[in-house]
Formats: sequence, structure tokens, C-alpha cells
Amino acid sequence: KAGVTQTPRYLIKTRGQQVTLSCSPISGHRSVSWYQQTPGQGLQFLFEYFSETQRNKGNFPGRFSGRQFSNSRSEMNVSTLELGDSALYLCASSLSLAGATDTQYFGPGTRLTVL
Amino acid sequence: DQQVKQNSPSLSVQEGRISILNCDYTNSMFDYFLWYKKYPAEGPTFLISISSIKDKNEDGRFTVFLNKSAKHLSLHIVPSQPGDSAVYFCAASADSGYSTLTFGKGTMLLVSP
Repeated sequence: KAGVTQTPRYLIKTRGQQVTLSCSPISGHRSVSWYQQTPGQGLQFLFEYFSETQRNKGNFPGRFSGRQFSNSRSEMNVSTLELGDSALYLCASSLSLAGATDTQYFGPGTRLTVL
Repeated sequence: DQQVKQNSPSLSVQEGRISILNCDYTNSMFDYFLWYKKYPAEGPTFLISISSIKDKNEDGRFTVFLNKSAKHLSLHIVPSQPGDSAVYFCAASADSGYSTLTFGKGTMLLVSP
């Protein structure tokens, strides 16, 4: 069974640009969550999608948005990039709503560098 | 305000000895806890979990202990192996696991031969 895939793996952008990251969950998984990992803050929850609906949202500005398609694939978008947005963005999928009772499986992440 | 804290950024242990990774939490609503391991350039991998109705859960070389009164949990790895060298994240959730995971900042474990 293929794992969670994320594209692209590496991305370099400049301040003010926007970026779209993609995540394909494990087949059959309906929940996709996004996390930002930085050295200073560790792993922080961005948002969660289930059946094309955003179910939970972390404490991030509106520049961060996402969506989920009918095939459960998800994209997240960051507009007006700032230097502080440089991070590893991780996507995780689970069978149902993201919770400890359904283990979340993480993708390898997209490393975003903002110059 | 960090609700899940891993106060040790790094830990060095010799192969064969015990590794103890600690995690503290402040939110009394948390009732489900997990440990994830992360190698460089890979996403975190689920290791072991424990619900608040237990105080210990064991899986092979990995044991998680939960002290609810102290709001503290720990992960024991016995015996430690060089392949265990990774960053370990503690995570917690409320509502028996149906809410978002909150992660600690991680502890880098280095197991030397």
C-alpha cells in the first residue's frame, strides 16, 4: 500500500509570492491534516480536512488555506509568503477524523524556503 | 503557551542502555498521548500510544508511562540501538482522541555504539 505522498519535496520562493503544496493520502483515508515544522516551534497543526470540509484549524493567519478534493487529495496554499514561512510542511492522513484512535500516517514533507 | 513540553532538546545514550524521553503537558483535557519518531527527510512515524485510563503501555522495546497527577509521560526504550537515533515527538489530544493532536517540540536521541 502506497504511503502518503507530498509534492513537491523542495521548494524555493521569494517573499510576497504564493505557493501551493499537494498531498495524496493513503488510499481509503478520508482525513488529511497539515502541520508546519520549524526548529523553534516544533510541529504545529495547521488544519484538517475530512470529506472535503475543513473540520479543524490551528492558530495560523488567513494567508494559510487549504482544500480537499473528492478523491481526498489535499492542497494547502500560502499567499504573500514571509521569511518566517520557511519550514517543513507535513501532511498526515488517517481513516477518519484525525485522532489518536485512528493513527495518523505522515508524508515525507515539503521543505519550503522563502528568500 | 505550549501545552505539550519536551524540555530536553537532545539526549545521548550508549547502545544497550535505557533511553528515557520525557514529556509534560498542561491541558487537563488531554486524555490520549502518542509518541512519534522522525528521521531526517522523512515524516514522523507513529511509535506507541496510551490513553488516560492506563498508566503503562508496552510494545516490544518501547514502553510509555503516564502519570496523570503530575501531567507527565515518558517513553522508555530498552535496550537502545543506534537505529533508534532520531527525533522523538510527544503528542496529545483531548476527547479520547477525536481532536487535533498537539505536539511537543521534540527530543533528538542519539544512540552511540
